[in-house]
Formats: sequence, C-alpha cells, structure tokens
Amino acid sequence: DTGVSQDPRHKITKRGQNVTFRCDPISEHNRLYWYRQTLGQGPEFLTYFQNEAQLEKSRLLSDRFSAERPKGSFSTLEIQRTEQGDSAMYLCASSRSPSGANVLTFGAGSRLTVL
Amino acid sequence: AQTVTQSQPEMSVQEAETVTLSCTYDTSESDYYLFWYKQPPSRQMILVIRQEAYKQQNATENRFSVNFQKAAKSFSLKISDSQLGDAAMYFCAYRSAQETSGSRLTFGEGTQLTVNP
Repeated sequence: DTGVSQDPRHKITKRGQNVTFRCDPISEHNRLYWYRQTLGQGPEFLTYFQNEAQLEKSRLLSDRFSAERPKGSFSTLEIQRTEQGDSAMYLCASSRSPSGANVLTFGAGSRLTVL
Repeated sequence: AQTVTQSQPEMSVQEAETVTLSCTYDTSESDYYLFWYKQPPSRQMILVIRQEAYKQQNATENRFSVNFQKAAKSFSLKISDSQLGDAAMYFCAYRSAQETSGSRLTFGEGTQLTVNP
C-alpha cells in the first residue's frame, strides 16, 4: 500500500481556466476527504465521500467547485473559472468507517497557483 | 460549531530539550477525539498522537505526550528530547465522535516548531 496519492503535485494556471486534481486513497478506505490549506493556516474541510456518495459539502465549496468519486475509488476535485483566491494547497485524506478513533491519512497535496 | 485555537504561531527549542505546544478548543460535545498532526515542509501531514475524550489517561507515543484537560478544554503536546527531525508545523485537530459529523477534522492555525542544533 503506497498511501494516499495526489496528482498533480503542483499546478500553475491562469485566472479563468479550469483545473482538476485527482486523489487515490488507500485501497481499503471507504471514506475520502478534501481539504484546502492556505499558506500559514490549518486545513479547512471542503467535502467528504463515503464510498461513491458525497455526504457533506462545506459552504467553502462554491458552485465553481465540484468533486466526484465514481465507483468509490479515486476522487477528482474540479475548479472551474479559477480565481486568484483559489490559490492554495488541496489536501486529500482517507479513512475507514465507522470511524471511532480511526485516523485520517493524508496525501502530500496538490498546490494550485492561479496567476 | 467546534473551534480549535493554537495561540503560539512559532516556537523554538534546543536539540535534546523539551518543548510544549498549546491547544485549546471549544465544543459542547462530551465525546470527541483530539489529534496532533505534524506537517514537515513540502511533505504530507502525519499523525503524531491522538486522545479519546472519554479516557482520563494522557496519551503517550515515545517522546511525544499530551496533557489533556477536559474541563479546561486544553490539549497540549509535549515533545521530549527534541530532535532536528521534529522541526515542522504542528496542527491540533478536533473530531466529533458523532457519526453524523462524518469524521471530519477541525484544525487549529498551527504552530511552527524550529529545533536549534
């Protein structure tokens, strides 16, 4: 098991372009989470999936953001019409459920820079 | 809503010395979990230690231990015999025990720890 993988690690784009990030969780984990982390701050929750179902979305997830997890395996996070304020690290994490004291395992993140 | 506060943006410690990072949280729940995560520069976040709120005994993992004060809603991390590899951003995090919360974590702002040789 190679842990949680995220791709790409770094994306530079121009304002107004669309970007997509991919996350491959640990294979036996059925929960998958997306967080956003701006420089010098703690991660903020965006959304999470249990298997293929998206169970919760933060109000931070504007209409320009969409996340999917087809077949309950990998997940994608798409940002449409990017804005400079979208520049951040996007972290993916996975865990088993029921959670109990189960730990979230994080990926290395995808850093987005919007010019 | 739960909040987590780390009042020390930066801390430094001499190698082999002990340092304590502070964390306070606010919640109306009685059952929850608390975590300390470490995020080295340009590397992924990894778990340092976790504490179940229903356990009175403070968690310990090798050189890392916590001081959990439930009534005061305080959860500090003590690092003993600090090593250069301990240098990182440390995040305190809260998670509700209620399944309806989906196990999502609420993080503090982080404390940047520098270890001086």
